Amino acid sequence: DVKVTQSSRYLVKRTGEKVFLECVQDMDHENMFWYRQDPGLGLRLIYFSYDVKMKEKGDIPEGYSVSREKKERFSLILESASTNQTSMYLCASSPLNRDEQYFGPGTRLTVT
Amino acid sequence: AQSVTQLDSQVPVFEEAPVELRCNYSSSVSVYLFWYVQYPNQGLQLLLKYLSGSTLVKGINGFEAEFNKSQTSFHLRKPSVHISDTAEYFCAVSEAGGYQKVTFGTGTKLQVIP
Repeated sequence: DVKVTQSSRYLVKRTGEKVFLECVQDMDHENMFWYRQDPGLGLRLIYFSYDVKMKEKGDIPEGYSVSREKKERFSLILESASTNQTSMYLCASSPLNRDEQYFGPGTRLTVT
Repeated sequence: AQSVTQLDSQVPVFEEAPVELRCNYSSSVSVYLFWYVQYPNQGLQLLLKYLSGSTLVKGINGFEAEFNKSQTSFHLRKPSVHISDTAEYFCAVSEAGGYQKVTFGTGTKLQVIP
């Protein structure tokens, strides 16, 4: 079974802090994704990566950056957390040329 | 650009009754279609997918969906729901042969009433 793990299930940070969300997949997938999920808005793509050191902006990249130094790990960085970034963050991965995505359990981030 | 519309944000249904969750999509090219389920406090899990071929697709947990190209729909159905089906369901679309960018709908919460 594909396993996608996220470093924290719940996280509470203060406004202005730098926040790192880590995601690791164990199936050698080329593609990795970061989404945020908000009630009534569904999933919105923040960034995705199709190879090590490669990244592409999604639909809502503002206020976020990403890092992919190793194939299995994809990090989401909030340079200066703000209250409007309080949300559920979901990481996903997929093999090359396949659109079926495998999701981690999510990190519920609260910024106070 | 592609888009997905899930008109029903919540669907209450009694246990053992049938259910249909509606999904309509928009795209100028051929598409792949997916249904995902999210149980409380968990990530999304693939229920079923349509890539090509038969328009009736069967998935896990007794769910099925039918691709209707003329109506640009991909509705999800189950003939008899269980309490354990209480979850949020997401329809998703991607361009066939595209670069793996998937667009998700806003979700439908299925509440099964005992």
